[in-house]
Amino acid sequence: EAGVTQSPTHLIKTRGQQATLRCSPISGHTSVYWYQQALGLGLQFLLWYDEGEERNRGNFPPRFSGRQFPNYSSELNVNALELEDSALYLCASSSRGWSSGNTIYFGEGSWLTVV
Amino acid sequence: GESVGLHLPTLSVQEGDNSIINCAYSNSASDYFIWYKQESGKGPQFIIDIRSNMDKRQGQRVTVLLNKTVKHLSLQIAATQPGDSAVYFCAENSGGSNYKLTFGKGTLLTVNP
Repeated sequence: EAGVTQSPTHLIKTRGQQATLRCSPISGHTSVYWYQQALGLGLQFLLWYDEGEERNRGNFPPRFSGRQFPNYSSELNVNALELEDSALYLCASSSRGWSSGNTIYFGEGSWLTVV
Repeated sequence: GESVGLHLPTLSVQEGDNSIINCAYSNSASDYFIWYKQESGKGPQFIIDIRSNMDKRQGQRVTVLLNKTVKHLSLQIAATQPGDSAVYFCAENSGGSNYKLTFGKGTLLTVNP
């Protein structure tokens, strides 16, 4: 069974441009989570989607947005890119909703480089 | 505020030894904890989890211990192997049903052959 898949693997953008990252959850999973991992830093929570709705959001500016499609896949959009947005963007998924004990599984991530 | 921290940013062990990675958390309301392993250039891989109503849980070669009194979490790896070399993150959920999984900064484990 396929795990969480993300695309593209690597993306290079110019400051001010927009980036779109995509994620397909594990089959049967309805929740998708996005994290940012800047070089040498821990994972910072960005967004949580479940059943097509945004359920929770981390401490990031509004230019970080996303959506979840009816097939539960998701995309993360980053507008007006800044150099400090360069990071590994990780997507994770879990089965319906969130409750303690509902394990989340990560994809391999998308490397975004802003130049 | 809430925080999840690690006592040791780096840990170097000999192959075959047991490894212990520690993690402190500050939110006494956290009810769920997870350990992840992240190899270079890869996404985090789930290792083991534990709910707050437990104090110990064992997996294959790994054991997680939870001490709620001192808000301390540890990951024990038995007979450490070179393939165990990675960054290990602890994470806590402090939001109950409102997902709020907070990750620590990680500990780099290096296994020497």
